[in-house]
Amino acid sequence: GAVVSQHPSRVICKSGTSVKIECRSLDFQATTMFWYRQFPKKSLMLMATSNEGSKATYEQGVEKDKFLINHASLTLSTLTVTSAHPEDSSFYICSASPRGYTFGSGTRLTVV
Amino acid sequence: QQQVKQSPQSLIVQKGGISIINCAYENTAFDYFPWYQQFPGKGPALLIAIRPDVSEKKEGRFTISFNKSAKQFSLHIMDSQPGDSATYFCAASKQGGSEKLVFGKGTKLTVNP
Repeated sequence: GAVVSQHPSRVICKSGTSVKIECRSLDFQATTMFWYRQFPKKSLMLMATSNEGSKATYEQGVEKDKFLINHASLTLSTLTVTSAHPEDSSFYICSASPRGYTFGSGTRLTVV
Repeated sequence: QQQVKQSPQSLIVQKGGISIINCAYENTAFDYFPWYQQFPGKGPALLIAIRPDVSEKKEGRFTISFNKSAKQFSLHIMDSQPGDSATYFCAASKQGGSEKLVFGKGTKLTVNP
């Protein structure tokens, strides 16, 4: 079946630094990838949609300069949280299409 | 504006019982309705999905019932087990799965032994 690998699973960074999260489709070509943020005991909040080779489309209220998304190939998309602050601490999850929206295992980001 | 409404928010079922989670949608352009299971600290995993041309789909103990006229769909978990304890999300999308998913708010299911 379709597999999406997300790394790292956990990351702790200092306030003001940047952190990159990778999302790879292992056995299919992901023309579209989605990035979500999930707060504790809440549903998934779509941050942005990225199509290979083009700029990401951000949801309303998501700072595109803070959450940089790159989808340079059909198997890799990255989310970079720039100048991270404690309020950016969250669970970030990627998803890849067209294989029925397969999700990665998520990344727990803690900014200290 | 929430486009997919999910209920209940939490559900407690005894082992062997039937768990039922309901969702209602507003956008008639939706044509793909998946259900996801999520354990703490993990990404959502696709359980089962349905398209509006069928009224029911069953995979093992999991069944989706779909009512197009009422714009409602539900997940039934038969013979619920403690290992089924997780958060379940319904979702919907347009254009057969190439557009973004709209999620319900989730249902935390607890199956007591």
